[in-house]
Amino acid sequence: GAVVSQHPSWVICKSGTSVKIECRSLDFQATTMFWYRQFPKQSLMLMATSNEGSKATYEQGVEKDKFLINHASLTLSTLTVTSAHPEDSSFYICSARDFTGAAHEQYFGPGTRLTVT
Amino acid sequence: AQTVTQSQPEMSVQEAETVTLSCTYDTSESDYYLFWYKQPPSRQMILVIRQEAYKQQNATENRFSVNFQKAAKSFSLKISDSQLGDAAMYFCATRNAGNNRKLIWGLGTSLAVNP
Repeated sequence: GAVVSQHPSWVICKSGTSVKIECRSLDFQATTMFWYRQFPKQSLMLMATSNEGSKATYEQGVEKDKFLINHASLTLSTLTVTSAHPEDSSFYICSARDFTGAAHEQYFGPGTRLTVT
Repeated sequence: AQTVTQSQPEMSVQEAETVTLSCTYDTSESDYYLFWYKQPPSRQMILVIRQEAYKQQNATENRFSVNFQKAAKSFSLKISDSQLGDAAMYFCATRNAGNNRKLIWGLGTSLAVNP
């Protein structure tokens, strides 16, 4: 199957700083990528849908000014957590949709663990 | 609105035995997909099996099979000959067909495999 990478795999940052997480589709073009947040032993919570060349669509309750999403190319989307606080500590997962197949399969990155101190 | 319900937060199975994970869903759409994803301790989400709603035949992938009951809106996952590596969180999800449709997730079932 297709491969999606995330970088970094884990990051520790100080409260008040910003951190950027990259999501790349390695062997296919992804016009649509998704960003999720997952708390321990819980399901995935969709934060936003990222479309190449246009503004992201945020889910209700997600602060768009805090979680900046940029999908500047067909293989790269970035999530920037601005002015991070300890409550932003979480596991962030991206996924990318491959529209070449009939099922428009969605492939997941390995996730990024963010710890804000 | 679409919903997915997994009523078993935790399950366990003996190695080499068979286990069935339950999932029910609700949707008003006629064309949709159903999925089972596995999330092992590494937290990498892995697609286990996919079912197109228009297909009556139950999907099968090696030791994994589903029982898709469209009228009952039920989509259970059967794992045969369970292996230690099957221990993971299993999530049921659905998505409408069409572009930019997002996945709707269940809360997950934690599966333990006992040696």
